Amino acid sequence: ETGVTQSPTHLIKTRGQQVTLRCSSQSGHNTVSWYQQALGQGPQFIFQYYREEENGRGNFPPRFSGLQFPNYSSELNVNALELDDSALYLCASSLPLGEQFFGPGTRLTVL
Amino acid sequence: DAKTTQPNSMESNEEEPVHLPCNHSTISGTDYIHWYRQLPSQGPEYVIHGLTSNVNNRMASLAIAEDRKSSTLILHRATLRDAAVYYCILRVEKLTFGTGTRLTIIP
Repeated sequence: ETGVTQSPTHLIKTRGQQVTLRCSSQSGHNTVSWYQQALGQGPQFIFQYYREEENGRGNFPPRFSGLQFPNYSSELNVNALELDDSALYLCASSLPLGEQFFGPGTRLTVL
Repeated sequence: DAKTTQPNSMESNEEEPVHLPCNHSTISGTDYIHWYRQLPSQGPEYVIHGLTSNVNNRMASLAIAEDRKSSTLILHRATLRDAAVYYCILRVEKLTFGTGTRLTIIP
C-alpha cells in the first residue's frame, strides 16, 4: 500500500510568484485536505476536496486554490506569493470522516 | 470549533508511562476526541480517537473523563521514538490543531 506522497520536497520562490504543490493520495482514499504549518505552530486547515469538489475551507484568501483529479491526486496553487506564505504545506488523504494520513510535506520558502 | 488546552511541553524517562492531558470544556456531544502526533521532520500521524469510552490500540490508550471535558493520552512505556509533538483535536473532517504538547523522552 503506497502512502501519501508530496512533491516537491522543498521549493524557493520570490514574492509575487505563483506556486503549485502536488499530492498523491493513499490508495482507496477519495478525500484530500491541505494544511499550512508555520514554524513552531500546529497545522492550519486550508481546504478539503471530496470527489473533485471543494468540501470545506479554512480562513485562507482566494489566492489559495486547489484541484482534485479523478485519480484523487490533488494540487494546491498559491498566487501572488507573500513572505508569510513561507511554511510547510501538508496534504492528508482519507475516506470521508475517517482517519487522515499525512504526507511528509513541502517546505516553501518565499524570499 | 471547540477548543482544546494542552501543556506546552512535558518530559518523561524512557521506558516509563507517560500521561498527556487535554482539556476540552466546550466539547459538544458529537465531538470525537482525536490524538495525532508529529515526529520531527514528518507530517502528523494518527494515534487514537474516542467518543465516550476509554480506548486502547497498539500505540496508546485514551482515557476520557465521565463528563468528557478532559482526556488523557497514555503511552504505556515511552521509547525515544515517542519524542514528538502530540495534538489533541475535537473535529474529524477538518482537523483544528492547536500548538500541542512537545514530549521529550530522557534516555
